[in-house]
Amino acid sequence: NAGVTQTPKFQVLKTGQSMTLQCAQDMNHNSMYWYRQDPGMGLRLIYYSASEGTTDKGEVPNGYNVSRLNKREFSLRLESAAPSQTSVYFCASSPYPLAGGLFSGANVLTFGAGSRLTVL
Amino acid sequence: AQSVTQLDSHVSVSEGTPVLLRCNYSSSYSPSLFWYVQHPNKGLQLLLKYTSAATLVKGINGFEAEFKKSETSFHLTKPSAHMSDAAEYFCVVTYGQNFVFGPGTRLSVLP
Repeated sequence: NAGVTQTPKFQVLKTGQSMTLQCAQDMNHNSMYWYRQDPGMGLRLIYYSASEGTTDKGEVPNGYNVSRLNKREFSLRLESAAPSQTSVYFCASSPYPLAGGLFSGANVLTFGAGSRLTVL
Repeated sequence: AQSVTQLDSHVSVSEGTPVLLRCNYSSSYSPSLFWYVQHPNKGLQLLLKYTSAATLVKGINGFEAEFKKSETSFHLTKPSAHMSDAAEYFCVVTYGQNFVFGPGTRLSVLP
């Protein structure tokens, strides 16, 4: 199983350019997430999606858009990149909401390998 | 609101000595708690999870964590550090679909 796959792994952009980070999971998970990781700040949630066709803002959504294309794929788009968006981006998925009233402790995040983005 | 505090941003131990990484949380609900590990330039990997069964949780690579409700703590321990344990460790609290990450503790292991 590939788990969660992100592309690209590295990207350098100039201020004002746009790009899309792609994410796909093959675990039949319902929820998908985009986080950014900056030194000393842990992971901060950008957007998440609880099901196909639904998306919700997280802690730091400004400057980003997302699209839940289908159950497997969840993309993150930077329409006009800024230096403040230089970061490592992680996609993740989880089985929540859980079928059959399963105990919530089974809701575990599985992460992709990350995408390192530099905006000059 | 839920929050996570990791009391040490950096912990340094010698190989073969015990490891203690501290985590305190606040949550309005009965939480699920996790520890994730991130090795340099890698993604995050689940180390262990607490889901209100046993309060002492065993994870991979010899790590354990104990849930103490009275202290709202979920500290991570390992009896004997190995060089391969050098990494960033994140404590995470969750309820439902929302996950809240602590700022991380960087563990260094000295030879």
